[in-house]
Amino acid sequence: EVYLVQSGGVVVHPGGSLRLSCAASGFTFDEYTMHWVRQAPGKGLEWVALINWDGENPYYADSVRGRFTISRDNSKNSLFLQMNSLRIEDTALYYCVKCHSETTSVFDNWGQGTLVTVSS
Amino acid sequence: EIVMTQSPATLSVSPGERVTLSCRASQSVSSRLAWYQQKPGQPPRLLIYAASTRATGIPARFSGSGSGTEFTLTISSLQSEDFAVYYCQQYNNWPSYTFGQGTKLEIK
Repeated sequence: EVYLVQSGGVVVHPGGSLRLSCAASGFTFDEYTMHWVRQAPGKGLEWVALINWDGENPYYADSVRGRFTISRDNSKNSLFLQMNSLRIEDTALYYCVKCHSETTSVFDNWGQGTLVTVSS
Repeated sequence: EIVMTQSPATLSVSPGERVTLSCRASQSVSSRLAWYQQKPGQPPRLLIYAASTRATGIPARFSGSGSGTEFTLTISSLQSEDFAVYYCQQYNNWPSYTFGQGTKLEIK
């Protein structure tokens, strides 16, 4: 069974930084593209970033490009999201997501989410 | 950006009823469309991908159809556990994936 266990929630000030982590198990981590998807409180879903199996080609949503960095450590089956220059509007539940085996663009397995609150 | 529009925003239905949810794309996404179900306090769950292929373990009462800009998710006979929010997602415009705003199924 696939498990994606995420780090705990945190409160950070505007302009601050934060690193999210996600520990994967139950599948061959280095064979899959991974994503971060977020959900603001009471709102819908927004794709944030993806990273290919080898970590070589990250892509970002326009709303976070230049501020967030996705990375992975295949030796530790872990996914990360470095978040800098945080804004109020970055407040959301951040999900670590494994892609589907047939297409890297479908979100198959989801972590439980990490609540990031950006507040002064 | 491809805008995904779901309708209706909320649907009140009774258990056992057949229900159809709609999703429209602002431009063609071919068949690169997925549906997700989200219950309160839980992450989304993949139901359908490639517009009509059920994900592993998804009951046969869930079916998807459509292509281009118009898509539907049909639940043939609503069970109590199906009351949730449903999202569509396009993945034709890689990697600028976008979701609809969701349709909430509530008990009538």
